[in-house]
Amino acid sequence: GAVVSQHPSRVICKSGTSVKIECRSLDFQATTMFWYRQFPKQSLMLMATSNEGSKATYEQGVEKDKFLINHASLTLSTLTVTSAHPEDSSFYICSAQDADRASNEAFFGQGTRLTVV
Amino acid sequence: DQQVKQNSPSLSVQEGRISILNCDYTNSMFDYFLWYKKYPAEGPTFLISISSIKDKNEDGRFTVFLNKSAKHLSLHIVPSQPGDSAVYFCAASMNLNTNAGKSTFGDGTTLTVKP
Repeated sequence: GAVVSQHPSRVICKSGTSVKIECRSLDFQATTMFWYRQFPKQSLMLMATSNEGSKATYEQGVEKDKFLINHASLTLSTLTVTSAHPEDSSFYICSAQDADRASNEAFFGQGTRLTVV
Repeated sequence: DQQVKQNSPSLSVQEGRISILNCDYTNSMFDYFLWYKKYPAEGPTFLISISSIKDKNEDGRFTVFLNKSAKHLSLHIVPSQPGDSAVYFCAASMNLNTNAGKSTFGDGTTLTVKP
């Protein structure tokens, strides 16, 4: 099956610093990638939809200046958490859709555990 | 307003028996449904899906049933195996031309299969 690699898998940063998370589709082209956030014992909450070559579409309540998304190529999307605070600590997961597949199936990265101290 | 609901946060079954995980949705615009399996500290893995034009889809031990009138779907695993122990997420999407992979997830059900 298609592979999506997310890096880093775990990061600890100081409050006020910025953290960049990468999401790569390894063996397919992804015109669209999705960024989710998961709080403990809760569901995956869609944060934004990342479209290659255009601005990301953010869900209601998600600060676009706080969570910067760049989708510069068909295989890479990045999420930058700017000026991170402890309340940003969470599990962030990306998913990518294979542009050549006629299905809604999304392939997920392994997730990034962010801890802001 | 949660559009996809998994009302059972956990389920425990004996190895070899059937596991039935349930999911309800409220948005009648959803026309494609997916089940994902997730292990701790990992991203979800696609398991099986069903289009709204069908009422059943089967893949090995996994079968998904869709009842559109009741806005309800279920995942059946038979026979259940200890390796099936994980969190199962139900997801729903609208088969639009763009962003078709955008899904709304339920809260998940933790399945434990006891040897």
